[in-house]
Amino acid sequence: AIRMTQSPSSLSASTGDRVTMTCRASQGISSYLAWYQQKPGKAPKLLIYAASTLQSGVPSRFSGSGSGTDFTLTITCLQSEDFATYYCQQYYSYPRTFGQGTKVEIK
Amino acid sequence: EVQLVESGGGLVQPGGSLRLSCAVSGFTFSGHDMNWVRQAPGKGLEWVSYISSGTIIYYADSVKGRFTISRDNAKNSLYLQMNSLRAEDTAIYYCARGGSGWDYWGQGTLVTVSS
Repeated sequence: AIRMTQSPSSLSASTGDRVTMTCRASQGISSYLAWYQQKPGKAPKLLIYAASTLQSGVPSRFSGSGSGTDFTLTITCLQSEDFATYYCQQYYSYPRTFGQGTKVEIK
Repeated sequence: EVQLVESGGGLVQPGGSLRLSCAVSGFTFSGHDMNWVRQAPGKGLEWVSYISSGTIIYYADSVKGRFTISRDNAKNSLYLQMNSLRAEDTAIYYCARGGSGWDYWGQGTLVTVSS
């Protein structure tokens, strides 16, 4: 199985900050990567797929980049509603696997 | 409006069985791949099973041989039959649409395996 490793596990930031988190795959997955946002008690929400394609309705302050094994999710100008946990997921092969998550907390 | 609504969760003893359902509306169910994903309390996301719009099925190793995914396109419903349940199967179970990025998710149903 492909292992997905996210860093950091958590970060503290303030509203208006630029936030970057990374996801590394244990083997190349081309651009078959999605990012999800999850808030407490809620289902995950798809933010980005194909590593850099913004899902319809997702604010443009979210962006993704990378291919192969290294990927990045960036949130420019962090908003209060962005405090949540973010997961990357590969869909290059089965079993589908997720990173362990990056929790974005209020500083 | 797209909706996915899970049901069937509950408290079950180790070794027992449960059948989860996911009722969908707002899109052509028969044309979409579907998944079950679970999340243990306070933990991350774990993919459980996939069923294509056709007949392709995959399972996570942790549930293979114990869980069975199926769908009834006439009823716009996805199912997960869970047998030989273990304490480590305790989680919120979500159904999610898609083969690539999963764009619609249900609200989840809680399965607790405990004596």
